Amino acid sequence: DTGVSQNPRHKITKRGQNVTFRCDPISEHNRLYWYRQTLGQGPEFLTYFQNEAQLEKSRLLSDRFSAERPKGSFSTLEIQRTEQGDSAMYLCASSFDSGYSYEQYFGPGTRLTVT
Amino acid sequence: AQSVTQLGSHVSVSEGALVLLRCNYSSSVPPYLFWYVQYPNQGLQLLLKYTTGATLVKGINGFEAEFKKSETSFHLTKPSAHMSDAAEYFCAVSDKGSGNTGKLIFGQGTTLQVKP
Repeated sequence: DTGVSQNPRHKITKRGQNVTFRCDPISEHNRLYWYRQTLGQGPEFLTYFQNEAQLEKSRLLSDRFSAERPKGSFSTLEIQRTEQGDSAMYLCASSFDSGYSYEQYFGPGTRLTVT
Repeated sequence: AQSVTQLGSHVSVSEGALVLLRCNYSSSVPPYLFWYVQYPNQGLQLLLKYTTGATLVKGINGFEAEFKKSETSFHLTKPSAHMSDAAEYFCAVSDKGSGNTGKLIFGQGTTLQVKP
C-alpha cells in the first residue's frame, strides 16, 4: 500500500492555458474524490467517482473543469482556460466502500498557481 | 445541509499544556465525524473518526475527541502538547448510508501553535 499519489506536486501556468492533474488512488479503493483548498480555508468538495462513474459534481465545478476516471483506476482533473481564481491546492482522496465506513485517504495535493 | 464550524482560527498553547480544538456540526442525519491534521504543503492525515458506538474516540499521536449529540459538538483534545503538534487541524462531517457519496464537509480549520 503506497498511499494516494498525485502528480504533479506543483504547477505554474499562465492564465488561459489548460492544465491536467493526475491522481492514483490506493489500489483496492473504489471511491475517489477531488477537493479544492484555497489559502486559509478547509478543503471544498469538487467531485466524486464510484469506480468509473462520476456520481456527483459540486456547483464549484464549472464547465471549464472536467474529471475522468477511466476503468475505475487513476483519475484526471482538467482545467481549461485557467483563471487566476483557479489558484489553489487540488486534493485527491480515495476510500473503500465497506458499507459502514467512509474513511478517506488523501494524497499530497497539486498546488496550482495561475499567473 | 451539513455544515461544520470550528471555533477559533488560531489556538496557541505552551508545550505540555492541554490542547482543546472546538468543532460544532450541523446535520439532519446522525453524522460521521472526522478530525484531520495538515502539515505545511502536505495532504490531510486522519487523526480520528466517530461513526457509531462509543462516543469517546481515541486517535493517533495521543489525540481524542468526544461526540456529544446534545451539543452537536466533536471537540478535539490532547492532554499535553508537543512541539510537533503545530499544524492545521480540520474537523469534517460526512453524509453516510447506502447511496450517499460519503463526501466530506470541512470546517475552516484551526491553526495550532505550540510555544516552547
